[in-house]
Amino acid sequence: AQSVAQPEDQVNVAEGNPLTVKCTYSVSGNPYLFWYVQYPNRGLQFLLKYITGDNLVKGSYGFEAEFNKSQTSFHLKKPSALVSDSALYFCAVRDEDYGQNFVFGPGTRLSVLP
Amino acid sequence: DVKVTQSSRYLVKRTGEKVFLECVQDMDHENMFWYRQDPGLGLRLIYFSYDVKMKEKGDIPEGYSVSREKKERFSLILESASTNQTSMYLCASSKRSSGNEQFFGPGTRLTVL
Repeated sequence: AQSVAQPEDQVNVAEGNPLTVKCTYSVSGNPYLFWYVQYPNRGLQFLLKYITGDNLVKGSYGFEAEFNKSQTSFHLKKPSALVSDSALYFCAVRDEDYGQNFVFGPGTRLSVLP
Repeated sequence: DVKVTQSSRYLVKRTGEKVFLECVQDMDHENMFWYRQDPGLGLRLIYFSYDVKMKEKGDIPEGYSVSREKKERFSLILESASTNQTSMYLCASSKRSSGNEQFFGPGTRLTVL
């Protein structure tokens, strides 16, 4: 079975500071990992993904994420937060051996304070 | 750009009504998905489809059914709406190949009174 945890319901950071949104996962096979962002009353927008290769993945809007196999983590990071980054962030995993379905984490609400 | 559209942004229905939520994608994706989103629970998969006329149950299929008569269209049906089905419903699509991300529609916020 596959599962995703986002240990923080809420993350607060000051504008200009680095931000991290945490994600850990559990799969039986090789993981495909994704980050999505959701702005109020909108659908989810794809940010970045890890499939294979370099553990540091760069995505949209200056975000990046680091795949750590030994810690089964895929934390989302940005060097300098913007107020406009305030949104709900979802981590998702797909197990290579488990078909086409994703499992989503519960979401982390990011607030960037001016 | 991939576009996934949903028939309504907001919908209000009464208990016991039959409700249809429509989703259309324009990128010839094989896979389509219906999720519901509730605060603190993230996204939960209701049904998905890998091909026309094909459907598979997700994690919470009870009280729902689906229809996929054409590749671009995936409908979610609430046979007899209940108040506990008040939620945000999200449709998504993806290519069948490994590692492809899902593309989401804007969502339908359904309220059942």
